Amino acid sequence: EVQLVESGGGLVQAGGSLRLSCAASGFTFSTHSMEWVRQAPGKGLEWISHISSSSNTIYYADSVKGRFTISRDNAKNSLYLQMNSLTDEDTAVYYCARDNMFDWLFDNWGQGTLVSVSS
Amino acid sequence: DIQLTQSPSFLSASVGDRVTISCRASQGISSYLAWYQQKPGKAPNVLIYGATTLQSGVPSRFSGSGSGTEFTLTISSLQPEDFATYYCQQFSRFPRTFGQGTKLEIK
Repeated sequence: EVQLVESGGGLVQAGGSLRLSCAASGFTFSTHSMEWVRQAPGKGLEWISHISSSSNTIYYADSVKGRFTISRDNAKNSLYLQMNSLTDEDTAVYYCARDNMFDWLFDNWGQGTLVSVSS
Repeated sequence: DIQLTQSPSFLSASVGDRVTISCRASQGISSYLAWYQQKPGKAPNVLIYGATTLQSGVPSRFSGSGSGTEFTLTISSLQPEDFATYYCQQFSRFPRTFGQGTKLEIK
C-alpha cells in the first residue's frame, strides 16, 4: 500500500524557518516525481513545488520561489521542503503528493501537516 | 501562467440529481486535466485524469469531458458521499495550477 506521511509542521514566527518531511513507503520512491501542494485555511489548493525522480528538474510557484527549497533523498525514501522567510500567507496545510509515472495526475497524497505562521 | 476558472463556485443539489461542473483554461491545455474530490479535513482524491479517463476504483457515475480550454465533470446521479469540494488541475505546463474549487452541497 502506498503511504505518504508528512511531518515537521508547527507554529513558527514570521521570518522564521521550518523543514517539512514526507516519508514514502509501499512503492519505488526513486522512480516517481513528487510534489508539494498547500491549502490555506478555508481556501483552495495551491501547487507549490515539483521535483523529478532524480532531482534533475525542479519547479516552484512564484509565491514561494527564492524562499522554499524542495529536495529528496531516494536512499531514505524521503521528500523535503525547506521553508525560509515565512509570512502569515504561508499558513496552510502542506501536502506531499506522488506523480503517476505514466499519466498526468497526482495519484497519492499524504494526510497533510499544518504550518502556522504568527506575525 | 495558465489560469483555471471553475463554475459554479457553489452548487446545491439533491441525492439522485445529475450535476455538471465546468473548468475553463486561460489557454489551450489539450487533455492535460485532472479532477479531484476533497472532503473536509482530508487530502484530495483523484477522480479523472487525461480529461476523460476514470481513475481506478472511482464509481462510474463520475465522468469527464472536454479538451483545449473547456472541460466538464459530470456526476450522473448524486450519492450522499459525493457532497464535497471538487477541483480541476492542469498538467500542460508549470506551474501546475488548480481551479478555485466547486463546493457541492446538499439541497
